[in-house]
This record gives sequence, C-alpha cells and structure tokens, in this order.
Amino acid sequence: DARVTQTPRHKVTEMGQEVTMRCQPILGHNTVFWYRQTMMQGLELLAYFRNRAPLDDSGMPKDRFSAEMPDATLATLKIQPSEPRDSAVYFCASGLPLASGRFSKETQYFGPGTRLLVL
Amino acid sequence: DQQVKQNSPSLSVQEGRISILNCDYTNSMFDYFLWYKKYPAEGPTFLISISSIKDKNEDGRFTVFLNKSAKHLSLHIVPSQPGDSAVYFCAASARREYGNKLVFGAGTILRVKS
Repeated sequence: DARVTQTPRHKVTEMGQEVTMRCQPILGHNTVFWYRQTMMQGLELLAYFRNRAPLDDSGMPKDRFSAEMPDATLATLKIQPSEPRDSAVYFCASGLPLASGRFSKETQYFGPGTRLLVL
Repeated sequence: DQQVKQNSPSLSVQEGRISILNCDYTNSMFDYFLWYKKYPAEGPTFLISISSIKDKNEDGRFTVFLNKSAKHLSLHIVPSQPGDSAVYFCAASARREYGNKLVFGAGTILRVKS
C-alpha cells in the first residue's frame, strides 16, 4: 500500500523556534511538492522538486523557509524562525511527471499533512 | 492573484440529489484540470480529471464538465451520498508552461444531508 508519509502529524511550538517537517514520497516518484493550506488561501504551492533538484520555490518566503531533498526518500521543509502566521497545515505530495503528449490519470498523491501551530 | 477560483465556500445538498461544484480559471494556458477531495485530518485525494481537448469526463457518479470559452468547469455528483461530504478542490495545470505544477482553488465544503 504505497503512500506518502509525513512527520510529525502535529507540531506546537513557540514563535522564534525552528520547525522541521519531513516527508517520505512514494517509492519511484521523482517529483515532490510542498503545499500549505490556510483558511483564506486554500492550497498554496510552496516548492517542488524533480529528481531531488528544486524546480520552483517561488511560493516560499525565502527569508525563513527552506526546502531540501537530502535523498530520494526524504524531503524536508524548515521554518526558522517560525512566526504565528506560519500556523497552517503543510502537505507533501509526490508524483510522476505527465508523459509527453499524454496525460496520466493522477498527477499527485498527498500525504496526511503536518498541522503546525506557532504560538 | 488567484488563477483558480471556487467562489462558493460551501454547499449543502440533500442525499440523493445532485451536487454541482463550480470552478473558474483565468489563465488560458491551463490545459488539464483536476478535482481533489479532502476529508478532515487527511490529505487531498484525486477524484477525476479532464483535459482541454474534452468537454466532459464521467466516472461513476462523478462527471466533470469543461467550458473553455467561459473558462469554467464544474463537478456533478449524482446521486449525492453522505460519504461525499468533504472539501472539494479544483486544480489546473499548464503542462507546457508549468510541467507538473498544479494551481489549486480555495476549496468548497460539501455537506450531504441524509
């Protein structure tokens, strides 16, 4: 039963602390996405990687957020220092690129999310 | 600047009736559209998709309609069931421009009353 896993599922921290969220993509998927869900904005794309290389991180506040893929089985999203406005649910998703000239049925599989609360 | 808009934050429907969820987009480069369903405390799961070469795609009780001239798509659920109660996200991609990147709407909460 292949699925994306995320840890921790919940995190409560104080403003100014570092937060690290981890994601294990589905084996064989070479594209990893980080999303943030807030009440006002819905699902916002923060960053995505293909073959471990960052392709787009334009949605991420660069001064405090960083995303990496140390290896093909682990993606991390760090916030340092964290702020109350970072409180949200952070989702990781993995997938396979759409085949050239054809569309795959499903492009992204989502993990269960990390619910972050910054006090 | 929201490129994908779901203007109805919520929708309430009686069991057995039709649910219609709407989505509008502004980027004419979008050529592939998807609907995701999300239950509380879970990640979104893929529901149904449609490419811009079609105007309708059906999968069981779920049908997605695409009106390219109006830049509008809709998801029809017939008949609606209580288990369909969830948040529904519309998403779009522009394969040539963005590759595998999806742009999501803010979501619509569907409640199906029994």
